[in-house]
Formats: sequence, C-alpha cells, structure tokens
Amino acid sequence: RKEVEQDPGPFNVPEGATVAFNCTYSNSASQSFFWYRQDCRKEPKLLMSVYSSGNEDGRFTAQLNRASQYISLLIRDSKLSDSATYLCVVTEHTYSGGGADGLTFGKGTHLIIQP
Amino acid sequence: ETGVTQTPRHLVMGMTNKKSLKCEQHLGHNAMYWYKQSAKKPLELMFVYSLEERVENNSVPSRFSPECPNSSHLFLHLHTLQPEDSALYLCASSQELAGGTFTDTQYFGPGTRLTVL
Repeated sequence: RKEVEQDPGPFNVPEGATVAFNCTYSNSASQSFFWYRQDCRKEPKLLMSVYSSGNEDGRFTAQLNRASQYISLLIRDSKLSDSATYLCVVTEHTYSGGGADGLTFGKGTHLIIQP
Repeated sequence: ETGVTQTPRHLVMGMTNKKSLKCEQHLGHNAMYWYKQSAKKPLELMFVYSLEERVENNSVPSRFSPECPNSSHLFLHLHTLQPEDSALYLCASSQELAGGTFTDTQYFGPGTRLTVL
C-alpha cells in the first residue's frame, strides 16, 4: 500500500522565521514529488514540484532524498499569508501506452504564521 | 479562477436519495479525476479518466458511479449513500502528453461538500 506520512502539526511560527517540514513515502518506485498548498475550505493548489537536485522558488526550497525516501520543504522569511496546510504528494508512472495516474497525498502539515 | 468548476458546492442528501455531482474543466486537459477528502484523512483518489476512458478505480463502492461523456465534463452519480460518505469531493484535471507521458500538475476544482443524513 502506498503511504505518504507527514507531521500534522500545527506548526506555530512567528512571522519572519524559517520553517521546515518533512514528508516520508513508502513506495520506492515513486517517480514524481510535489508540495501542494491547501487553504482552509479551499482546493489544493500546486506549490512546487520537487526535483532530485533540489529546487528553489523564491522563499521556498524543496529537496528530495531518494535513499531515505523523504521530501522536505523549507520556507524562509515566513509571511502571514503562508498560513495554510501543506500537502506532500507523490506519484508513480506505472502505466504503459498512455493513461493517467493519480496522486498519493499525505494528510498535510498545518502551518500557522503568527504576527 | 474558473479553470475547473464544480456544482453544486454544497449538497445535503438522505441515504435513499440519488444525486449527481458535476465537474467541468476549461483548461483543454484530457484527464480528469475524482478525489474524496474526509476530515483527518488524506485525499483519496477515487476514479481516473484519460481520454474519456476510465483507467483507474481504487475499489470504490458501487454506490458511486462516475461518468465522463467528454474530455471537459465529469460526473459522479450518487445513490444509497451512507453517512460515512460525507466528505469534500474534489474534481481535478491534468494533461496527458503524447508517448505516454503527462504533466503531473493537477488542477483542482473548489469541491462539493457532501453531507449524508
């Protein structure tokens, strides 16, 4: 069974601080990794993809460790608007000849940025 | 945003009712998905349609019946549901590319919040 594990939090962090989340996945065949963000009572939206070499998008840095099967997200200089639930998402491309694949979601980590 | 729309946004139904959820995507994508999000549980993939054909069904009870008449529309027909089926039902779409590859980014609709009494 594919599983993605996250610390549910909540993480209470003062504005301007740096915060990091980790996520572990059980399926070693997983190929693609993402962080989605979900605001309260809203739909999930892609925050960033996670590449093997690590990638950065502004204040956000994502890293992948395939050997240990975990993904991390670092948020620097946190803003009040960063308050949300961050979903770790994993997928595997197991089909052939076309056909879409769904995503396996973690339960999410709840982040609260305090003024 | 109007990329993926869902109706209704809220639905309350009894266990003997029959209702349908509708999803429409305006992004030109060729793959659509139904997910279920329950409190304190991760999103669960229910159905996947690619090029209007169902390619994945994660052992969902038969009281949920999907329909994909074309690449822009997706329905979830509901009948004789149970109270534990109360949840947020999210529709998503993505683009499958030629050669069996696809873009992983999924775009979600706002969801239908379903309450079964």
